[in-house]
Amino acid sequence: QQQVKQSPQSLIVQKGGISIINCAYENTAFDYFPWYQQFPGKGPALLIAIRPDVSEKKEGRFTISFNKSAKQFSLHIMDSQPGDSATYFCAARGPTGANNLFFGTGTRLTVIP
Amino acid sequence: SQTIHQWPATLVQPVGSPLSLECTVEGTSNPNLYWYRQAAGRGLQLLFYSVGIGQISSEVPQNLSASRPQDRQFILSSKKLLLSDSGFYLCAWAQGATNEKLFFGSGTQLSVL
Repeated sequence: QQQVKQSPQSLIVQKGGISIINCAYENTAFDYFPWYQQFPGKGPALLIAIRPDVSEKKEGRFTISFNKSAKQFSLHIMDSQPGDSATYFCAARGPTGANNLFFGTGTRLTVIP
Repeated sequence: SQTIHQWPATLVQPVGSPLSLECTVEGTSNPNLYWYRQAAGRGLQLLFYSVGIGQISSEVPQNLSASRPQDRQFILSSKKLLLSDSGFYLCAWAQGATNEKLFFGSGTQLSVL
């Protein structure tokens, strides 16, 4: 069973546009929600993360919006650039154990010039 | 600073041949270690994780195995590769206390022919 559901599977955005990727979860024990960015042929790298006690976190052009009551969170990429083209994974961390980070299925973002 | 080394970067193996992928971490002690597999255009599938030397947990039954002979060394093996073992293999580590941030290696692209 997929602990974190991510959509869309792929996304094409014009340069300068806003990219939005959505994730949803069910387990209310999740306490940390990171996003990872993966370029082709490379390993994912942590991009930005949020804890459930805040509704928004912004780092440069990247913003996480978090809705605790709806159990949803999303990544917004403002002024999307071709260099943002990558696969993005949302994730959620459970409270205990080494195997406590659950990934979404990924979104392949393509930003066209 | 911490670094993770994973090799080889690319590997082409015939069906039925053995496999050994190695991952080492520098600059930290007692990390949690992980092997993930990523099929083409797909998400991250956790294969194995380890919280200490000799301690291996398997997430998916298959013909792969993992070993952790040293604190910062994690090895993925197979006695006989199958076509379905093809994929992008990623090693990752996290600091055990919080397990908050996963650091991924650069991956091994395995093609079984």
